[in-house]
Amino acid sequence: GENVEQHPSTLSVQEGDSAVIKCTYSDSASNYFPWYKQELGKRPQLIIDIRSNVGEKKDQRIAVTLNKTAKHFSLHITETQPEDSAVYFCAANGRGSTLGRLYFGRGTQLTVWP
Amino acid sequence: DAGVIQSPRHEVTEMGQEVTLRCKPISGHDYLFWYRQTMMRGLELLIYFNNNVPIDDSGMPEDRFSAKMPNASFSTLKIQPSEPRDSAVYFCASSFSGTDTEAFFGQGTRLTVV
Repeated sequence: GENVEQHPSTLSVQEGDSAVIKCTYSDSASNYFPWYKQELGKRPQLIIDIRSNVGEKKDQRIAVTLNKTAKHFSLHITETQPEDSAVYFCAANGRGSTLGRLYFGRGTQLTVWP
Repeated sequence: DAGVIQSPRHEVTEMGQEVTLRCKPISGHDYLFWYRQTMMRGLELLIYFNNNVPIDDSGMPEDRFSAKMPNASFSTLKIQPSEPRDSAVYFCASSFSGTDTEAFFGQGTRLTVV
């Protein structure tokens, strides 16, 4: 099945700075890559996703890039704010016999200091 | 739709007792997932169902864990007998195969086994 690696495991930035989280995947057949944000004590929630037919997608202060050749994708958060502090998970979808499931990275704890 | 509904939200039980966690997926979703989240192991997939049929239960840690989905609107995860190392947050999630497998998470059940 798919294997998703996520780095770094922790990230601390000053308010207003940018934050970048990187993920790699192993199955070239994966074609859907969502990012989830989990605030303390809450459920993971989708914040942005990208499909393999595009290389970049933006939504206000967050953006995701995808490099299919290298099999890696990244989350970029600009002008970070304290409310961006959370755990962020990347994921890739399964294909074939694992169709329907998502393979999650281990998560990145982002802390934004005011 | 109210989203994925899990019950109970919190459960405290004594070691050796049976614990049953419940989940109601989003109506129309054909995939249902059970995850366990701990600090040490992150977000682990325990088992998932497609159209009420278990597809992959390789993540179920031991025979003490069992899951059922008797119909499209209800699933249970049972631990019998429970042990202190089972303490974790258990999430149920559902998705629809007709889209790009975005998973919607329930609010989770925080299980404490003493």
